[in-house]
Amino acid sequence: QSALTQPAAVSGSHGQSITISCAGASSDGGGYHYVSWYQQHPGKAPKLLIYDVNNRPSGVSNRFSGSKSGNTASLTISGLQAEDEAEYYCSSSTSSSTLGVFGTGTKVTVL
Amino acid sequence: EVQLVQSGAEVKKPGESLKISCKGSEYSFASYWIGWVRQMPGKGLEWMGIIYPEDSDTRKSPSLQGQVTISVDKSINTAYLQWSSLRASDTAMYYCARQLGRGFDIWGQGTMVTVSS
Repeated sequence: QSALTQPAAVSGSHGQSITISCAGASSDGGGYHYVSWYQQHPGKAPKLLIYDVNNRPSGVSNRFSGSKSGNTASLTISGLQAEDEAEYYCSSSTSSSTLGVFGTGTKVTVL
Repeated sequence: EVQLVQSGAEVKKPGESLKISCKGSEYSFASYWIGWVRQMPGKGLEWMGIIYPEDSDTRKSPSLQGQVTISVDKSINTAYLQWSSLRASDTAMYYCARQLGRGFDIWGQGTMVTVSS
């Protein structure tokens, strides 16, 4: 399975909203149906923000939301804050396989 | 507190074997898939594989077939990642994580593996 494609960098001003895309097509043509998103600060373990396209684990801010259209998933961060500056990864697997793949990662900068 | 605690950093020589561990606590360990994720220095995350502790059902990334072994001992709530012959390219941070839906919700602190002659 090939890595999912994310923009290398996205930036936004404090308080603004940004969207990170995650594009890919499965080898079996079925499309990726189970998308999750992670935030990783330098030197830290990743943190789950969204799972199964648009579900937030308990404790994750509602400023983070996920969606999917066709073979492209998106993570929106609203009300951008300084602590949102981090690397973000999407991950997915298909409905026919439990094997997963991560995206290439997106560096978010808060201006 | 639900947590996964990984074994400490390792420094090995090429050709040596290694087994690192990931111990879960404060949840029903056998009932959740455990995954392993690799992060090479300065690089992104790589999905390695998952194992279901209840029956040791294992799914591994095709790119890693034959290179690593994923195992589990549910009697002590511990999952393992093992190499029989390390290579310099195995140098990376390795994370274990608990699967929620198809995402990983609880992560270990990571085990840094350095392979150098």
